[in-house]
Amino acid sequence: KNQVEQSPQSLIILEGKNCTLQCNYTVSPFSNLRWYKQDTGRGPVSLTIMTFSENTKSNGRYTATLDADTKQSSLHITASQLSDSASYICVVSLENYGGSQGNLIFGKGTKLSVKP
Amino acid sequence: ETGVTQSPTHLIKTRGQQVTLRCSSQSGHNTVSWYQQALGQGPQFIFQYYREEENGRGNFPPRFSGLQFPNYSSELNVNALELDDSALYLCASSHGISNTEAFFGQGTRLTVV
Repeated sequence: KNQVEQSPQSLIILEGKNCTLQCNYTVSPFSNLRWYKQDTGRGPVSLTIMTFSENTKSNGRYTATLDADTKQSSLHITASQLSDSASYICVVSLENYGGSQGNLIFGKGTKLSVKP
Repeated sequence: ETGVTQSPTHLIKTRGQQVTLRCSSQSGHNTVSWYQQALGQGPQFIFQYYREEENGRGNFPPRFSGLQFPNYSSELNVNALELDDSALYLCASSHGISNTEAFFGQGTRLTVV
């Protein structure tokens, strides 16, 4: 079964600090990997999207990495701000339709809390 | 703003009732996928509509049904509501069904009492 695992489940950091979130996946056939930010009770918003051949992509203070060999990705947040408090969801897209799972395989997310 | 609009934003229903949730897809997008997200969990795939046809379905009972209109907006209908149906319902629109980027609406928070 296609799966996406994220760690840690939750994280508390102080404002201004950096942090790294992890994502491991067993998904085939792989198309791309996306990181979304989801504020509580809101829809996910895309941060980055990476294909098989890309191993890093940045969006402001967010930098995602992808190692397709080990099937691991990370999201690094630099100089955290209070507004970064949210859940961060790793999503892997299948090359073809995935049956009862759909074509997007979601992790459960990492809940990040940034404290002043 | 993603250009994907869901309505209503919040809804409270009684067990046994029926509910209809709506999603307006982003301009130029012909695919809508619906997800159910319980508190603290990742979204679970309900079904996907592509060019007005259901293109796949997750492990949800038949009382979850949907529709896509010629303008590619979509509805999710849930009959005989159960307490466990309480969740955030998300729709995502995209162009095509495969590896194109999906844009999510803000969600509908459904509470069944």
